[in-house]
Amino acid sequence: DTGVSQNPRHKITKRGQNVTFRCDPISEHNRLYWYRQTLGQGPEFLTYFQNEAQLEKSRLLSDRFSAERPKGSFSTLEIQRTEQGDSAMYLCASLDHYGTGGGYTFGSGTRLTVV
Amino acid sequence: SQQGEEDPQALSIQEGENATMNCSYKTSINNLQWYRQNSGRGLVHLILIRSNEREKHSGRLRVTLDTSKKSSSLLITASRAADTASYFCAPRPYDMRFGAGTRLTVKP
Repeated sequence: DTGVSQNPRHKITKRGQNVTFRCDPISEHNRLYWYRQTLGQGPEFLTYFQNEAQLEKSRLLSDRFSAERPKGSFSTLEIQRTEQGDSAMYLCASLDHYGTGGGYTFGSGTRLTVV
Repeated sequence: SQQGEEDPQALSIQEGENATMNCSYKTSINNLQWYRQNSGRGLVHLILIRSNEREKHSGRLRVTLDTSKKSSSLLITASRAADTASYFCAPRPYDMRFGAGTRLTVKP
């Protein structure tokens, strides 16, 4: 297990459809983060998990977004009734919270296009 | 939550020159990290400096931290075209937020 894996890499969907993204973190990492990033901007925090517990969810996140990490391993991010404004890169990152203070490891992202 | 603000927003230099970018933050930190993001990819961790350190080196990277001014700088020496990317700082505690970053362009 050499990194964080995100699937799919690209997703094109029609407005109003539901989409689900998956993130497989580094296996020993207990924290998992989701971010959204649009062109020219930094990653915008969405939510994070400590093991299976969702500890924080951004107030900017509408009720159409939901994330799970059922067994404290992989995580899914679902967007219901997609809108064109949801078009963005969705990034996942993981961290060993109890480690020696290393950095977060990011996946390559899932690029969502809503048409 | 804790978010760093990078400055300048954009920086354009010639290959071989040095690039300096700055980060400011608002509250006390345990450490501060710098990340690089190439276009269309995820962020890559570059270097971490702890709150009790003032300077740290890694290859062509030099990071400084001034906790009294709540600021950090990242210096890339002898820049290369491959250094073209966006750079983000991340002050830590663990609820990680990012600013808009510094977009560095290194012209060959």
